[in-house]
Amino acid sequence: IAGITQAPTSQILAAGRRMTLRCTQDMRHNAMYWYRQDLGLGLRLIHYSNTAGTTGKGEVPDGYSVSRANTDDFPLTLASAVPSQTSVYFCASSDWSGANVLTFGAGSRLTVL
Amino acid sequence: QQQVKQSPQSLIVQKGGISIINCAYENTAFDYFPWYQQFPGKGPALLIAIRPDVSEKKEGRFTISFNKSAKQFSLHIMDSQPGDSATYFCAASLYSGGGADGLTFGKGTHLIIQP
Repeated sequence: IAGITQAPTSQILAAGRRMTLRCTQDMRHNAMYWYRQDLGLGLRLIHYSNTAGTTGKGEVPDGYSVSRANTDDFPLTLASAVPSQTSVYFCASSDWSGANVLTFGAGSRLTVL
Repeated sequence: QQQVKQSPQSLIVQKGGISIINCAYENTAFDYFPWYQQFPGKGPALLIAIRPDVSEKKEGRFTISFNKSAKQFSLHIMDSQPGDSATYFCAASLYSGGGADGLTFGKGTHLIIQP
């Protein structure tokens, strides 16, 4: 089934540890995004990539980094996790050839202790 | 910063009633207004969308009403059912080619339909 695969589904992490959330899409979409979802704050954009090889900062980029080496993969790295990064993280993608519709993954729940 | 203001934050409706969620946007360049539906434990998924050349779009029990002059749009769920219980996000964007630069989400509405 075409779509977005995120891993891990859930993770508990000690503060200060490094963590990479993986995201892979098989739809050949140009753009990919990382959002975090927190109660009362909605979906906040962390980083995005409009095409392979380019990335940009969203609303809340501090403490996170991304790379886009190819069309399909868009990993999100927390270099040194802090408790405020406890959240549910969603990867999404969209295709510029049509309406700007986002396809979301199922999310990765991260708890930083 | 471009904003989309969504209200209410939470909403409880009796089964069979009408659920109404409202959004207002600022950037007049936006020309695509989707609504996303998110069930617990899942990612958001496109529910219905409208472009500003029409004032209303209906798909089954779901209707978007759009007021271009007021820069407002709303989602109406007719004959609301317990299975409609979810979080709903409105968004405003450029129709195509905008990528992340032209996409803004509202903060979401947690809808509960009571049996």
